[in-house]
Amino acid sequence: AQKVTQAQTEISVVEKEDVTLDCVYETRDTTYYLFWYKQPPSGELVFLIRRNSFDEQNEISGRYSWNFQKSTSSFNFTITASQVVDSAVYFCALSEAITGNQFYFGTGTSLTVIP
Amino acid sequence: KAGVTQTPRYLIKTRGQQVTLSCSPISGHRSVSWYQQTPGQGLQFLFEYFSETQRNKGNFPGRFSGRQFSNSRSEMNVSTLELGDSALYLCASSLVTGRDIQYFGAGTRLSVL
Repeated sequence: AQKVTQAQTEISVVEKEDVTLDCVYETRDTTYYLFWYKQPPSGELVFLIRRNSFDEQNEISGRYSWNFQKSTSSFNFTITASQVVDSAVYFCALSEAITGNQFYFGTGTSLTVIP
Repeated sequence: KAGVTQTPRYLIKTRGQQVTLSCSPISGHRSVSWYQQTPGQGLQFLFEYFSETQRNKGNFPGRFSGRQFSNSRSEMNVSTLELGDSALYLCASSLVTGRDIQYFGAGTRLSVL
């Protein structure tokens, strides 16, 4: 079974629109970490955020914000006022103590921001 | 501070050959993980090394192997290459454990003909 599900395969938005990327995870562990990474066309995965299972506070960083809800096992990512440079593939990942902290990645959401 | 460096960036091999990929982690990082990325399977975990020991292994055949040196640099080897091994191979380093932030290299794109 998929531990991390990103149901949105591709999303296209017009520049300056807001967009939310969904991430649903599955774990039986009580101690786990969630991550978001961005993969531009160059291929390198760029770290965006890490959240541990004990911290449900939402976080905002500039135009980026994250909504972590344990009740629904979701860790969604919102880009406000999207820009062309936001075009990339975004991955959500889960790391659990019970499986030796191996990273499980979702299948990614390809975001295209149209000028 | 230099990032994670992977060499070579591109490789073309033929079926049956073997290949070795190299990864130099961020200075001070002791954990190195390897991932295979393909359009069909996405990002899949290969293995993780810490202090020259394989600490975790994904579900890949024994043709995939790796090692880590005392300076934390890591290599992965794929023997008897198959067409399905064509992929982007990504290396990531972190301070100690997998729950630490993993920083990724640009990858090695392997094409098997």
